[in-house]
Amino acid sequence: DTGVSQDPRHKITKRGQNVTFRCDPISEHNRLYWYRQTLGQGPEFLTYFQNEAQLEKSRLLSDRFSAERPKGSFSTLEIQRTEQGDSAMYLCASSLAVSRVNEKLFFGSGTQLSVL
Amino acid sequence: TQLLEQSPQFLSIQEGENLTVYCNSSSVFSSLQWYRQEPGEGPVLLVTVVTGGEVKKLKRLTFQFGDARKDSSLHITAAQPGDTGLYLCAGANTGNQFYFGTGTSLTVIP
Repeated sequence: DTGVSQDPRHKITKRGQNVTFRCDPISEHNRLYWYRQTLGQGPEFLTYFQNEAQLEKSRLLSDRFSAERPKGSFSTLEIQRTEQGDSAMYLCASSLAVSRVNEKLFFGSGTQLSVL
Repeated sequence: TQLLEQSPQFLSIQEGENLTVYCNSSSVFSSLQWYRQEPGEGPVLLVTVVTGGEVKKLKRLTFQFGDARKDSSLHITAAQPGDTGLYLCAGANTGNQFYFGTGTSLTVIP
């Protein structure tokens, strides 16, 4: 098992450009989460998938953000018309949820986005 | 929205000292997890506590869940430089989200 993989590790873009990040979860994990984290702060929930279905999306999330998990395996997070405030670490986590209380999140190393 | 407040936000101690990190909320959680995160990496799960009043030990780390399941603490005995990192608590409610705390950045000086 290779763990959760995220690509790219770093992304530098100019304001107004679109960016797309990819997350490959641990095989057989049915749940996939996207979080955003700024330096020294805790991760902030963005969205969540159960298999291919996007079940929840943060109310704080702008409509410039969209995520997909087309076949219930890998996921992509796209940010359109990036703004400087989008600069952050974008973390993906997956889990094999048997029961809520025993759910364990496994995180990738994240994609660090810098918007100039 | 951060529903979990951690204190202290920053902690710098000498090797061998003891420390306690607190995680407080006004909300009740069905379970609470503690993670440790190193720079440039994702958080790594340390422990999950489920029952009010539960205490779990992981080597020199002791985790406690409050009786009302609204708060938790992490106590580290005889801290070592390898304990350095960002400690995060995360609460699970009846919904589908894990709410993460504001984080405690620990530095253990050799």
